[in-house]
Amino acid sequence: DTAVSQTPKYLVTQMGNDKSIKCEQNLGHDTMYWYKQDSKKFLKIMFSYNNKELIINETVPNRFSPKSPDKAHLNLHINSLELGDSAVYFCASSQGRAAAHYGYTFGSGTRLTVV
Amino acid sequence: SQQGEEDPQALSIQEGENATMNCSYKTSINNLQWYRQNSGRGLVHLILIRSNEREKHSGRLRVTLDTSKKSSSLLITASRAADTASYFCATDAGLKTIFGAGTRLFVKA
Repeated sequence: DTAVSQTPKYLVTQMGNDKSIKCEQNLGHDTMYWYKQDSKKFLKIMFSYNNKELIINETVPNRFSPKSPDKAHLNLHINSLELGDSAVYFCASSQGRAAAHYGYTFGSGTRLTVV
Repeated sequence: SQQGEEDPQALSIQEGENATMNCSYKTSINNLQWYRQNSGRGLVHLILIRSNEREKHSGRLRVTLDTSKKSSSLLITASRAADTASYFCATDAGLKTIFGAGTRLFVKA
């Protein structure tokens, strides 16, 4: 009965590969997010979808492509992985369009290591 | 640029002591939130305080907000070893929420 679940938890892959991370929420929230946390623990938003509509698209390489088949799912596909993509990627969800008003529910993260 | 910045970066205390963490931000906000992150886990929402509120409590947590100084503090009373985690403040910027770099709290048993 996990609220926000993302898979896989760990992902080790070689440079140049393409990989996907999946996220699902069962909270009935309207908005889902992808965040990247670097080795210094800085959290930076990447994308946000509200009812399958892209509403936040930060300046990230276009090798990163989000996809929301429905409001309960938000996946992240990464092409041509680079060493600098190594980080922990968090999926999150919130009610409404702005988590600032309601708070986020985070998944447990996907630790991506590119070798 | 970072909106919220926590201070101190790291804090080590004995079990039973109080822990205070501070957050400063740069621009006007509507709300400020505090989150906890245990090692290897996702962030957990602790408290949201609105700009028209000055203080909020939740169990052993007390959050204050001073909009004139653009700062907030999180007080954890009677700390426990299980409180060992990183604590982040987060401020709103339109549709986005900006997180600080966090305070790493270590509570020694």
